[in-house]
Amino acid sequence: GAVVSQHPSRVICKSGTSVKIECRSLDFQATTMFWYRQFPKQSLMLMATSNEGSKATYEQGVEKDKFLINHASLTLSTLTVTSAHPEDSSFYICSARVTGDLAGYNEQFFGPGTRLTVL
Amino acid sequence: DAKTTQPPSMDCAEGRAANLPCNHSTISGNEYVYWYRQIHSQGPQYIIHGLKNNETNEMASLIITEDRKSSTLILPHATLRDTAVYYCIVRVYGNKLVFGAGTILRVKS
Repeated sequence: GAVVSQHPSRVICKSGTSVKIECRSLDFQATTMFWYRQFPKQSLMLMATSNEGSKATYEQGVEKDKFLINHASLTLSTLTVTSAHPEDSSFYICSARVTGDLAGYNEQFFGPGTRLTVL
Repeated sequence: DAKTTQPPSMDCAEGRAANLPCNHSTISGNEYVYWYRQIHSQGPQYIIHGLKNNETNEMASLIITEDRKSSTLILPHATLRDTAVYYCIVRVYGNKLVFGAGTILRVKS
């Protein structure tokens, strides 16, 4: 199946700093990627849909100026948490939509997630 | 996309079949039933999906009732590594995935 990677897997930062998380599709091109956030013992919450070459579409209640998404190429989307605060500490997961021959039985593959801790 | 209802948790003995139910009584004709699972601190993993016919792959079987209002995911021989949160999602193909609370499956030796 298609592989999606995230970097870093874990990051600890001080309050007020910005953190960038990368999501890469390793063996396929993804015109659409998704960003999710997951707090402890809760389900995944979709934050935004990222389309290559255009602005991201944010879900209701997600601050677009706080969570900057860039999808500059068909294999890379980045999420930047600006001026991070302790309440932004969470597990951030991306997924990439597969099209064409690889789609077959599934069309969304998930990355392994990034654990963000803001002190 | 239609809403789903799953039991919050289930236990299963190792080596036995795990049967995870999902209710989706408001499902419409063009909506698929998808199953994903999430092992602790990892990204979700696709398991299986179906429209109206029963489906089987190397991981699991999906049984969808004739009226499509409910389905059951079957892990034929559960192992300890199958302990995870299992999510049943109903959606039109291509729409975004919206995760509910899921079922915590605990496989015990």
